[in-house]
Amino acid sequence: EAQVTQNPRYLITVTGKKLTVTCSQNMNHEYMSWYRQDPGLGLRQIYYSMNVEVTDKGDVPEGYKVSRKEKRNFPLILESPSPNQTSLYFCASSLLAGALSYEQYFGPGTRLTVT
Amino acid sequence: GENVEQHPSTLSVQEGDSAVIKCTYSDSASNYFPWYKQELGKRPQLIIDIRSNVGEKKDQRIAVTLNKTAKHFSLHITETQPEDSAVYFCAAFYGNKLVFGAGTILRVKS
Repeated sequence: EAQVTQNPRYLITVTGKKLTVTCSQNMNHEYMSWYRQDPGLGLRQIYYSMNVEVTDKGDVPEGYKVSRKEKRNFPLILESPSPNQTSLYFCASSLLAGALSYEQYFGPGTRLTVT
Repeated sequence: GENVEQHPSTLSVQEGDSAVIKCTYSDSASNYFPWYKQELGKRPQLIIDIRSNVGEKKDQRIAVTLNKTAKHFSLHITETQPEDSAVYFCAAFYGNKLVFGAGTILRVKS
């Protein structure tokens, strides 16, 4: 089954404790991205990746890191989480982006609470 | 700047009526405009998209129109049904960066 998976689905952590949210897709998509969703603000792109070893900042990259060592995986790293990073996070992938854009397939979401 | 403005933020319609949601973008180079539907507690899912070389696209009860000159695009849902109740997001690509509108909560009253 074609899908995007994220883990964990729910996470409660404390300020400053490093964490990683994993994202994996099995559709051989080139484009992967991370979004955070906050009430009234819609979906805001954190980072995106056009392909292996190519990552770029989205609209809200501060406090986050990503890596793309393999085509299927795109982990989101919070080195020192803070309460303002409490949010619902979505990973997404698509075949291509930009001029040849295709549908973004979203993962199930990760609800993160930082206390 | 790179933003997408979406209106209205909430929309209530009677079952069977039409619903229209409008979005405005700022980059004339943007050429792909998707619409996503997000039901409560679920992930966003694409419902329709349009490319800049097309002015209108339909898929059963939903349609999207694009006015490149005015830099706005709209989602039209006809004969609304209770299952259309959800949050709808428009989006536009700025280069390789996807920017979403803030969303519209659509409530269909039966």
